[in-house]
Amino acid sequence: EAQVTQNPRYLITVTGKKLTVTCSQNMNHEYMSWYRQDPGLGLRQIYYSMNVEVTDKGDVPEGYKVSRKEKRNFPLILESPSPNQTSLYFCASREDRVGIYGYTFGSGTRLTVV
Amino acid sequence: GESVGLHLPTLSVQEGDNSIINCAYSNSASDYFIWYKQESGKGPQFIIDIRSNMDKRQGQRVTVLLNKTVKHLSLQIAATQPGDSAVYFCAERSGGKLIFGQGTELSVKP
Repeated sequence: EAQVTQNPRYLITVTGKKLTVTCSQNMNHEYMSWYRQDPGLGLRQIYYSMNVEVTDKGDVPEGYKVSRKEKRNFPLILESPSPNQTSLYFCASREDRVGIYGYTFGSGTRLTVV
Repeated sequence: GESVGLHLPTLSVQEGDNSIINCAYSNSASDYFIWYKQESGKGPQFIIDIRSNMDKRQGQRVTVLLNKTVKHLSLQIAATQPGDSAVYFCAERSGGKLIFGQGTELSVKP
């Protein structure tokens, strides 16, 4: 089944403790992206990657890092999480072809930083 | 499940009725628009898209209308079913990026 898989689904952590949220897609998509979703603010892009070893900042990159060493994986790293990073996170991917813009989203990771 | 839209506009319809969900977009230069459906505890799911050179596109039970004059997008769902209950987002492509609206929560009463 074609899908984007995120882990973990739920995570509670303490301020300052480094964490990584994994994202993997099995569709051979070039483009991958991370979003956070907050009440009243909708989906906001954190980072995106056009292909392996190519990453760029989205609208809210502060406090986050990403890497794209392989085509299928795009982990989101919080080096020193803070409570304002408590949110619902989504990874998404799509083909990098002209005319293809629809994303496939993962099921989400609910992060709570205390 | 989780609620991702604590302060969203809501639309409540009776099962079998038609639903119309509206969206105002921000950039008159946006050239592509998508509607997504997000059920509780799940990621957004693609429903239908439309390019800016069109004003109407139909899918299975869904129709998207685009009015560029007033920068307005609507999603019509025919014969709404309980399984249509979800949060619906519009998204516009602007400057190579997708910008998402905040969403509307659709509740279908049996």
